[in-house]
Amino acid sequence: NAGVTQTPKFRILKIGQSMTLQCAQDMNHNYMYWYRQDPGMGLKLIYYSVGAGITDKGEVPNGYNVSRSTTEDFPLRLELAAPSQTSVYFCASSDETQYFGPGTRLLVL
Amino acid sequence: GNSVTQMEGPVTLSEEAFLTINCTYTATGYPSLFWYVQYPGEGLQLLLKATKADDKGSNKGFEATYRKETTSFHLEKGSVQVSDSAVYFCALSFYNAGGTSYGKLTFGQGTILTVHP
Repeated sequence: NAGVTQTPKFRILKIGQSMTLQCAQDMNHNYMYWYRQDPGMGLKLIYYSVGAGITDKGEVPNGYNVSRSTTEDFPLRLELAAPSQTSVYFCASSDETQYFGPGTRLLVL
Repeated sequence: GNSVTQMEGPVTLSEEAFLTINCTYTATGYPSLFWYVQYPGEGLQLLLKATKADDKGSNKGFEATYRKETTSFHLEKGSVQVSDSAVYFCALSFYNAGGTSYGKLTFGQGTILTVHP
């Protein structure tokens, strides 16, 4: 039972490039989430999903997109990377408690 | 809207000292309350939780009691260790199976704890 896994662990992007952050869970949870954590701050919700095919915006969705084609996977897409998207990104899944992945550190230069 | 306010950090203690990190919340209704811990370079781990008033969550020597009357969920430990050095986050959510809250967490800003030998 791997829990929540995320890839890559670290990535450097140039301004305007795109990338997909991968997230997978093997706990058969319907609910999944993407957060970003900026230095010295708490986590802010980007997008969430309540099941395959169903997603919705969180607090800070601008510049991101998501899809949920299966229960297991919830990728986060950055289309035109900007320096303001430099952050650590955490994926989580939940039943009544949220379980977090190890995070992806993204640097946009 | 919902919000969580944590005690300002950083907090620096000597080993075996008593720890309190204050957390208060604002919410409509009665949320579930959580403490998460983040060790350097890692993701968040659930430390403890409480789902209703007067519940006490406990784990690894840490405790927190859900106080509805003061809307608080303060984290305590009687004797901290160097290995407790981490960032601690208080959070709330509403989980209602079949409802519309979807378990979304609202976090406090985090409190950095450093424990010296």
